[in-house]
Amino acid sequence: EIVLTQSPGTLSLSPGERASLSCRASQSVSSRYLAWYQQKPGQAPRLLIYGASSRATGIPDRFSGSGSGTDFTLTISRLEPEDFAVYYCQQYGSSPWTFGQGTKVEIK
Amino acid sequence: EVQLLESGGGLVQPGGSLRLSCAASGFTFSSYAMSWVRQAPGKGPEWVSGISGSDSSTNYADSVKGRFTISGDNSKNTMYLQMNSLRAEDTAVYYCAKGWVYFDNWGQGTLVTVSS
Repeated sequence: EIVLTQSPGTLSLSPGERASLSCRASQSVSSRYLAWYQQKPGQAPRLLIYGASSRATGIPDRFSGSGSGTDFTLTISRLEPEDFAVYYCQQYGSSPWTFGQGTKVEIK
Repeated sequence: EVQLLESGGGLVQPGGSLRLSCAASGFTFSSYAMSWVRQAPGKGPEWVSGISGSDSSTNYADSVKGRFTISGDNSKNTMYLQMNSLRAEDTAVYYCAKGWVYFDNWGQGTLVTVSS
């Protein structure tokens, strides 16, 4: 199965700053079949990005995804207070679909 | 508005069984694939199983294959997960999610605790 490794584990930033989150796959993810989710405490994950770079319905354009092969990035251009959360990547190019261990974006 | 409501979680002894349900509304249930995703305390999500909307084909993670069975009832807009031979490592919040490969809507989850 494809193992996804996210870095850093924790990102400490201030509102208004730019966040870059990395997701590295143990083998190439076919056809850019990679998604990103946001999860806040006590809530279910929320889909942000699919197909590596397509925003899900209702997701603000400050969220963007990029990458291919084994290296993917989620960028939040300017952090809003509601963006402080845990972010997960997920690949769906090869079954079983797998998730990364998460990056926590916390207020500095 | 898409709504997914899980039920059926609880405390069960190792080796026991539980059946989870997911009641769906706000979309044409029979037209979409549905999945179960679980999350152990302090861990990332783990995909468990999926069922297609078109032909009810199913897919399972190796960790649950042979022990869990996914099914759907289009007349009730409900998906199920029958969980047998439960182990301590099955302890998690179980989410119902819309989608086959990625998941664009999630329920609030139901907690399954496997402990003696």
